[in-house]
Amino acid sequence: AQSVTQLDSQVPVFEEAPVELRCNYSSSVSVYLFWYVQYPNQGLQLLLKYLSGSTLVKGINGFEAEFNKSQTSFHLRKPSVHISDTAEYFCAVSHVRDDKIIFGKGTRLHILP
Amino acid sequence: GAVVSQHPSRVICKSGTSVKIECRSLDFQATTMFWYRQFPKQSLMLMATSNEGSKATYEQGVEKDKFLINHASLTLSTLTVTSAHPEDSSFYICSASSTSGNHNEQFFGPGTRLTVL
Repeated sequence: AQSVTQLDSQVPVFEEAPVELRCNYSSSVSVYLFWYVQYPNQGLQLLLKYLSGSTLVKGINGFEAEFNKSQTSFHLRKPSVHISDTAEYFCAVSHVRDDKIIFGKGTRLHILP
Repeated sequence: GAVVSQHPSRVICKSGTSVKIECRSLDFQATTMFWYRQFPKQSLMLMATSNEGSKATYEQGVEKDKFLINHASLTLSTLTVTSAHPEDSSFYICSASSTSGNHNEQFFGPGTRLTVL
């Protein structure tokens, strides 16, 4: 079975500073990896996904993530955050032969003025 | 892009009543739809997976008689919370799966906030 660990429940960062949201996964088989963003009282929006190929994945809103198989990590990064990036971010994993998505507990990104 | 809608966006009901939540894929056919539950400040927990024309598959610990799921067409799935109680108050999110290459990407609805008084 797969699992996802988001090490930080909340990350405060100043506006225009860089940010990294950490995600580690556990799986004995090949997986797909995702980052979703959830704004208050809204559903989930896909930021980016890793299916195969290049380990550096670029997504929307200036976010990117790097798949590191040896460290079983898929950390999300942005070089300069904006106040509008304030949201909950979920890392997720799914088995390549299964549609089910397993979500991490989420990391709340809090942008400081 | 693929759009998934949910209706209603917010519902308040009395304890003991039943509530139906609709999930629609607006511009694509979804062979599979998923229902999630999200408690405040927590992650999404998968409740069940539903395939068009067949019975839903429920995750362990989810009462199938309490959370009735119907997936009558390729664009509509419904979740009915029967005899709702205050502990059923939650944010319910659906997603619809569309085949994209080798990966069936899920598209999420905006969620329905259920409050049971």
